[in-house]
Amino acid sequence: RKEVEQDPGPFNVPEGATVAFNCTYSNSASQSFFWYRQDCRKEPKLLMSVYSSGNEDGRFTAQLNRASQYISLLIRDSKLSDSATYLCVVNRDSYDKVIFGPGTSLSVIP
Amino acid sequence: DTAVSQTPKYLVTQMGNDKSIKCEQNLGHDTMYWYKQDSKKFLKIMFSYNNKELIINETVPNRFSPKSPDKAHLNLHINSLELGDSAVYFCASSHLVPTTTNEKLFFGSGTQLSVL
Repeated sequence: RKEVEQDPGPFNVPEGATVAFNCTYSNSASQSFFWYRQDCRKEPKLLMSVYSSGNEDGRFTAQLNRASQYISLLIRDSKLSDSATYLCVVNRDSYDKVIFGPGTSLSVIP
Repeated sequence: DTAVSQTPKYLVTQMGNDKSIKCEQNLGHDTMYWYKQDSKKFLKIMFSYNNKELIINETVPNRFSPKSPDKAHLNLHINSLELGDSAVYFCASSHLVPTTTNEKLFFGSGTQLSVL
């Protein structure tokens, strides 16, 4: 089993839609969780950290379920500019060794 | 002003050659990394250095040798390049505080390596 797994893509959604991405991780000792965004031919950039109580940043909501080892990202009112690959990232141990999931591709269509 | 800069942006070379990619960060971070992103877009960690010391080596072939002259620089040297080495290589940095979580990574813009 891979350390971090994500929904297979691509997701093609119309503007204004709500879309949810799921991610599971295998190491129950993982401590930190993130969502990164990667545009085509660009470097990954942090979208948001994921906190135990869940957190929201504008149209983006992240949830963490430690018991199920599951992370989610919800995007409301999708914009064309949201088109990108979304990477689920897990910090595997205290030496900050982050493991990236394979990513889920999102295309928001006019 | 670039936080994490790596050069070159593109590198095209023949099989068997030796090449280097340089990385520098001006964020004052303690930890630097090399990641490889292959054609399937899977981003995999290769190495991590903390204050010039190697802390992560993910079973990368020994043709790959990272070198950290100081904590602001982490270069990647590759000997005897092979076709399978073609990928995008990303340098990254972060603070390393073992008891603190949620320290994010800052990435360079990547080096597209093509081995012919």
